[in-house]
Amino acid sequence: GAGVSQSPRYKVAKRGQDVALRCDPISGHVSLFWYQQALGQGPEFLTYFQNEAQLDKSGLPSDRFFAERPEGSVSTLKIQRTQQEDSAVYLCASSLESTGGDNQPQHFGDGTRLSIL
Amino acid sequence: AQSVTQLGSHVSVSEGALILLRCNYSSSVPPYLFWYVQYPNQGLQLLLKYTTGATLVKGINGFEAEFKKSETSFHLTKPSAHMSDAAEYFCAVSVFSNSGYALNFGKGTSLLVTP
Repeated sequence: GAGVSQSPRYKVAKRGQDVALRCDPISGHVSLFWYQQALGQGPEFLTYFQNEAQLDKSGLPSDRFFAERPEGSVSTLKIQRTQQEDSAVYLCASSLESTGGDNQPQHFGDGTRLSIL
Repeated sequence: AQSVTQLGSHVSVSEGALILLRCNYSSSVPPYLFWYVQYPNQGLQLLLKYTTGATLVKGINGFEAEFKKSETSFHLTKPSAHMSDAAEYFCAVSVFSNSGYALNFGKGTSLLVTP
């Protein structure tokens, strides 16, 4: 069965480079979330999409972080001018529609481990 | 705002012994509560979820958790540990907001199972 797919699984970049991380959610899932997980910590919310609309980006650490989901399916998280503190695992999760009704469970991808040298 | 606190960053149990992982939550409105498990280099897998109704929630792999409003707790238990239960466990809370049902996670508890 198709789960949430993230690519690449590992990314090494030099400080100052731009990176793009991809998330393919489960087909039909309306909601999509990005989380950042630092080493030894729990995931922290970055941003939330409902279809193609980015409804909340309050968790993005700086204006170097940008996320999009132009057709309401695949999403890309872009980090410009990467810094060492950006090193973390970036997790994507998707769920069926969540509009204030029942809280549908989020399905997580395996994440992208980003290392900034 | 809502949050969870996981007591004990590392827990060690013997194979066959009871697993008890502690989680306390804070929320101004009735929350949804979750337990997730994470194996090395993998994403998070849902173990169980509390919404409303029955306070004892049964999940996968023999895990269960009890919602205690008076204690603001949602501890995870399993009667008999298996070696395969060794992993990182996260408690999470969620309420509907501008970020949909985004999850607020605890810092996690690393479970070690010894033979």
